[in-house]
Amino acid sequence: AQRVTQPEKLLSVFKGAPVELKCNYSYSGSPELFWYVQYSRQRLQLLLRHISRESIKGFTADLNKGETSFHLKKPFAQEEDSAMYYCALTASGSARQLTFGSGTQLTVLP
Amino acid sequence: EPEVTQTPSHQVTQMGQEVILRCVPISNHLYFYWYRQILGQKVEFLVSFYNNEISEKSEIFDDQFSVERPDGSNFTLKIRSTKLEDSAMYFCASTRGTAPYEQYFGPGTRLTVT
Repeated sequence: AQRVTQPEKLLSVFKGAPVELKCNYSYSGSPELFWYVQYSRQRLQLLLRHISRESIKGFTADLNKGETSFHLKKPFAQEEDSAMYYCALTASGSARQLTFGSGTQLTVLP
Repeated sequence: EPEVTQTPSHQVTQMGQEVILRCVPISNHLYFYWYRQILGQKVEFLVSFYNNEISEKSEIFDDQFSVERPDGSNFTLKIRSTKLEDSAMYFCASTRGTAPYEQYFGPGTRLTVT
């Protein structure tokens, strides 16, 4: 069975500071990792996926198979980045249902 | 841009009653999902649906739950006899395939069982 762990429930940083949201996973196969974001009063939406190796809104995440981590990083946080961030995993060969972490509430202070 | 819609946004029901939560997935999507989030807990997978049948379900999805795609557009989740512990936010999601495509989520239905 797969599991996703986000150790920080709450994270506050000042505007312009770097931010890192931690995500660790356990899965015996080859996982596909995602970051989903939920802004206040909005729906869950995809932020980025590891397979695309893209940067969205200045965020990046690198899959580290040795450390089984997929941490989300941004060098300069903005106030509009304040949101709930969920790390999620799908298992290969499945119906691609997402296994979510418990989420990290990021607050960027002015 | 097309969106997944869900109705109602909030449903209050008494314990033991049946509820039906409705979702309209994005029209060209093929895979459909229900998730739930109990207050303060993580989002949990309930069931996935493809080609008019359940493809996978979690341990949570017991005999009290059922899903249906009655008319080619709606995707429903029925809880036959609600319990207090069914109180949660229920999210519907859809995606166009099983590659790591984005799952598009609906806004959720808050179910309160009293």
